[in-house]
Amino acid sequence: KAGVTQTPRYLIKTRGQQVTLSCSPISGHRSVSWYQQTPGQGLQFLFEYFSETQRNKGNFPGRFSGRQFSNSRSEMNVSTLELGDSALYLCASSLSGGNYEQYFGPGTRLTVT
Amino acid sequence: GDSVTQMEGPVTLSEEAFLTINCTYTATGYPSLFWYVQYPGEGLQLLLKATKADDKGSNKGFEATYRKETTSFHLEKGSVQVSDSAVYFCALKAAGNKLTFGGGTRVLVKP
Repeated sequence: KAGVTQTPRYLIKTRGQQVTLSCSPISGHRSVSWYQQTPGQGLQFLFEYFSETQRNKGNFPGRFSGRQFSNSRSEMNVSTLELGDSALYLCASSLSGGNYEQYFGPGTRLTVT
Repeated sequence: GDSVTQMEGPVTLSEEAFLTINCTYTATGYPSLFWYVQYPGEGLQLLLKATKADDKGSNKGFEATYRKETTSFHLEKGSVQVSDSAVYFCALKAAGNKLTFGGGTRVLVKP
């Protein structure tokens, strides 16, 4: 069974631009969560989508948004990029919630210049 | 709110040494507890988990016991290998599917 895939793996953008990251969950998984990893703040929860609905949201500004499609694939969008948005963005999928394990993708490394 | 505190690294060990990484948590209710490992350039891999008090999670020689009375979930391995060099994250999941992570502990094992 294929794991969680994220595209692109690396991205360089300029301040003020916007970016869209993609995540394909493990087949059959309906929950997709996004996390931001930075050296200063560590791993922080962005949001979770389940059956195309945002089910949970972390403490990030409205510039960070996401969506999930009917095939469970998810995208996250960051508008008006700032230097501080440079990070590794990780996607995780699970069957649902509760005690189901979350499986992480390799991440997308975003650099904002 | 929920939080996880783990010892800061880096932790440098010789091969076959004993490894302990301390982890304590604060959470409402009865969270599930996890250890994840991250190798250079990769995402997170689940190492082990425990879902209730006194549960012991184990995998690949690593163990951790859910201690409700001390709100701890310390990771141990009796004999580390060079291949265990990585960053280790303690995490909890209380309500919903949101993971709250500790700051990570870098472990370096020298031959």
